[in-house]
Amino acid sequence: GENVEQHPSTLSVQEGDSAVIKCTYSDSASNYFPWYKQELGKRPQLIIDIRSNVGEKKDQRIAVTLNKTAKHFSLHITETQPEDSAVYFCAASRWGGADGLTFGKGTHLIIQP
Amino acid sequence: DTEVTQTPKHLVMGMTNKKSLKCEQHMGHRAMYWYKQKAKKPPELMFVYSYEKLSINESVPSRFSPECPNSSLLNLHLHALQPEDSALYLCASSLGPLNSNQPQHFGDGTRLSIL
Repeated sequence: GENVEQHPSTLSVQEGDSAVIKCTYSDSASNYFPWYKQELGKRPQLIIDIRSNVGEKKDQRIAVTLNKTAKHFSLHITETQPEDSAVYFCAASRWGGADGLTFGKGTHLIIQP
Repeated sequence: DTEVTQTPKHLVMGMTNKKSLKCEQHMGHRAMYWYKQKAKKPPELMFVYSYEKLSINESVPSRFSPECPNSSLLNLHLHALQPEDSALYLCASSLGPLNSNQPQHFGDGTRLSIL
């Protein structure tokens, strides 16, 4: 089955700086890679996703890059704000999410004022 | 706003009780999922339903019994649970397997405590 590794487990950055979270996956058949943000006591909320036929996707301060050859994808958050503090999960799926998601272990992002 | 509705929000039950978790969506999604999330851990897939049929069971113990009565509703029946089953149970939905690469939307979850 799929295995998703996520690093770092904790990331502390100064407000206004950029944050980068990295994930690798094992199953070359995976073709869909979403990122979720989960605040304490809340549901996971999709913030951005990328399909295997795309190398990069941006949405305002958030971007995701995918390297299929290396089986590696990353989340980039620019101009970080206090409300970005949360746990971020990467995930992978073989059927665009229809077969369920395999999540990484999560990154606790802390934005220092 | 949450478009996937889960009830109850909290549930405390004894090991001999029988209870059910409910999940509802009215987005026309044809795939629905149950995940289990322990504290400070990622969600772990339990079951996948596609077009009201069970398509994936991730070797979940039989004390968890899923049911999909119609395309909008997903239940998880609980019986003889163990203390280690205490967790947040998340339901999610997506358009379905004929619409690949579609995001999953999560409900707020049911926080389950087994005494």
